[in-house]
Amino acid sequence: GENVEQHPSTLSVQEGDSAVIKCTYSDSASNYFPWYKQELGKGPQLIIDIRSNVGEKKDQRIAVTLNKTAKHFSLHITETQPEDSAVYFCAASSQAGTALIFGKGTTLSVSS
Amino acid sequence: KAGVTQTPRYLIKTRGQQVTLSCSPISGHRSVSWYQQTPGQGLQFLFEYFSETQRNKGNFPGRFSGRQFSNSRSEMNVSTLELGDSALYLCASSFTGSNTGELFFGEGSRLTVL
Repeated sequence: GENVEQHPSTLSVQEGDSAVIKCTYSDSASNYFPWYKQELGKGPQLIIDIRSNVGEKKDQRIAVTLNKTAKHFSLHITETQPEDSAVYFCAASSQAGTALIFGKGTTLSVSS
Repeated sequence: KAGVTQTPRYLIKTRGQQVTLSCSPISGHRSVSWYQQTPGQGLQFLFEYFSETQRNKGNFPGRFSGRQFSNSRSEMNVSTLELGDSALYLCASSFTGSNTGELFFGEGSRLTVL
């Protein structure tokens, strides 16, 4: 079945710096790659997603890139702010229905 | 518009007991998925229900079960609790029920097994 690896597990940056989180997946049939942000005491919330027919997608300070050949996808956050501090999860979905296979998460800390 | 509501938010059980967790999806959403979140294993898919039918099931033992009612509300049950079942159980609802749609998560039910 699908397996998603996520790196790094922790990431500390200064406010204003960029942050990059990388994920790899194993199932070449995967066609949807969302990123979720989880703040303390809350459930994960979708921040951006990308489908397999697209190479890059941007939404203000957040961008995601997908390399289908290498089975890599990455989250890029520019001009980080303290409120970006949270746990970020990548995921992949290849089955029918809404089953998502999540990476283990990256704890991002942005210090001011 | 109300979000996904999970009850109870916190509960403590002892080994061997059983537990039932409840999830009310966003109004109009017909798909409900359940995930287990632990520090060691991260987020793991338990099962998904769509229009009262289990559509997908993750790799969990038969002690984990669920159901969905005609109003899309869902419950999951864990029988014969083990210490390793201690986790945050997250429910997520989806409007389309497709594998390319946004999941809306609740805040979870935190289960502690003693």
